[in-house]
Amino acid sequence: DGGITQSPKYLFRKEGQNVTLSCEQNLNHDAMYWYRQDPGQGLRLIYYSQIVNDFQKGDIAEGYSVSREKKESFPLTVTSAQKNPTAFYLCASSPWGAGEEQYFGPGTRLTVT
Amino acid sequence: KQEVTQIPAALSVPEGENLVLNCSFTDSAIYNLQWFRQDPGKGLTSLLLIQSSQREQTSGRLNASLDKSSGRSTLYIAASQPGDSATYLCAVLITEETSGSRLTFGEGTQLTVNP
Repeated sequence: DGGITQSPKYLFRKEGQNVTLSCEQNLNHDAMYWYRQDPGQGLRLIYYSQIVNDFQKGDIAEGYSVSREKKESFPLTVTSAQKNPTAFYLCASSPWGAGEEQYFGPGTRLTVT
Repeated sequence: KQEVTQIPAALSVPEGENLVLNCSFTDSAIYNLQWFRQDPGKGLTSLLLIQSSQREQTSGRLNASLDKSSGRSTLYIAASQPGDSATYLCAVLITEETSGSRLTFGEGTQLTVNP
């Protein structure tokens, strides 16, 4: 059963704690992406990775970190430096090459209090 | 910087009506444009992808058009059904020599189809 999985679906953390969101894909896609979505808004790009061991900052990378040690995994860490971490986080992947369709995971809703 | 705008922000129609959702973008140097559907609390489902060299794509009751020169795309939904109720997002793909390809999203149109 191919696809993108994100875990957990809901995540609760206290302010000041780092938290890592998981994203795994078995589609053999080279590129992976992390987006943030706030209520009533579109998606904003946090980080993306075109190949293993390489990643690029998106539009709102401050307060976040990523790693890409394996092709199928692209975890996102929300650090305590992120001022407004409560949001819906979406992971996506696409095959190598420009113009390829992106496929999205089910998302993780993070609540920080 | 590429900006994507979707109009209207929300739309409510009776079942059976044909409708059009609009998307505009500021930089015509796009590689492709995608329309997505998002149900509440869920991820995105790709509906249609139009390459920059294409004018339109069709899938069932959905038809998307692209006019790159004017920076506009429309999503036409025929004979709307209550199951079409969702948020529809438009996104354009740009490619940059040093940083690869990335999508820029509009804020979406929230569609409600009333039985």
